[in-house]
Amino acid sequence: NAGVMQNPRHLVRRRGQEARLRCSPMKGHSHVYWYRQLPEEGLKFMVYLQKENIIDESGMPKERFSAEFPKEGPSILRIQQVVRGDSAAYFCASSRDSYTEAFFGQGTRLTVV
Amino acid sequence: AQSVTQLDSQVPVFEEAPVELRCNYSSSVSVYLFWYVQYPNQGLQLLLKYLSGSTLVKGINGFEAEFNKSQTSFHLRKPSVHISDTAEYFCAVLPGNAGNMLTFGGGTRLMVKP
Repeated sequence: NAGVMQNPRHLVRRRGQEARLRCSPMKGHSHVYWYRQLPEEGLKFMVYLQKENIIDESGMPKERFSAEFPKEGPSILRIQQVVRGDSAAYFCASSRDSYTEAFFGQGTRLTVV
Repeated sequence: AQSVTQLDSQVPVFEEAPVELRCNYSSSVSVYLFWYVQYPNQGLQLLLKYLSGSTLVKGINGFEAEFNKSQTSFHLRKPSVHISDTAEYFCAVLPGNAGNMLTFGGGTRLMVKP
């Protein structure tokens, strides 16, 4: 039973480019959460999705960031026109429902140059 | 809203010594409490969690934590640390009413020296 899979593990983008981060939840999990970890800081909640629905996006920056979790395929966190301040580790977690334990992926480390 | 404070950003300790990593939280609702460990360039691994029942919770790798409701604390302890325990440790809370959206503390870097 594979865990939560995130790819790529490392992503380098130039300022102004787009970054796409993918998260495949554990088998049987339909709830996905994205967190961002800025350098030397803890994780901050960004967005909570179920299949085809955004449940809570209270932690998402208002501009340039979007997330989706389609009926088929992985969840995608998309950052348009990246800036240096977007450099961080982005973690995805998944759970079977909103009350059971969420398991984390190994993260995608985004570097904007 | 919830908040989590980890009072020590770094804790250096010698191998085989005991260690305590402190965590305090604030919340207007009842919460569940978690400790996660993050090894360099890795994801988060759950060490232990408090949901209800006994306030002393035992986790993996010999760690334990005690929930103190009156002091709103959930300190992590280990009686004898190993070099391999060197990592970043995060305390987190989850509102008990709904959802799985964790609020994390800023982390404590445990540095075990030989």
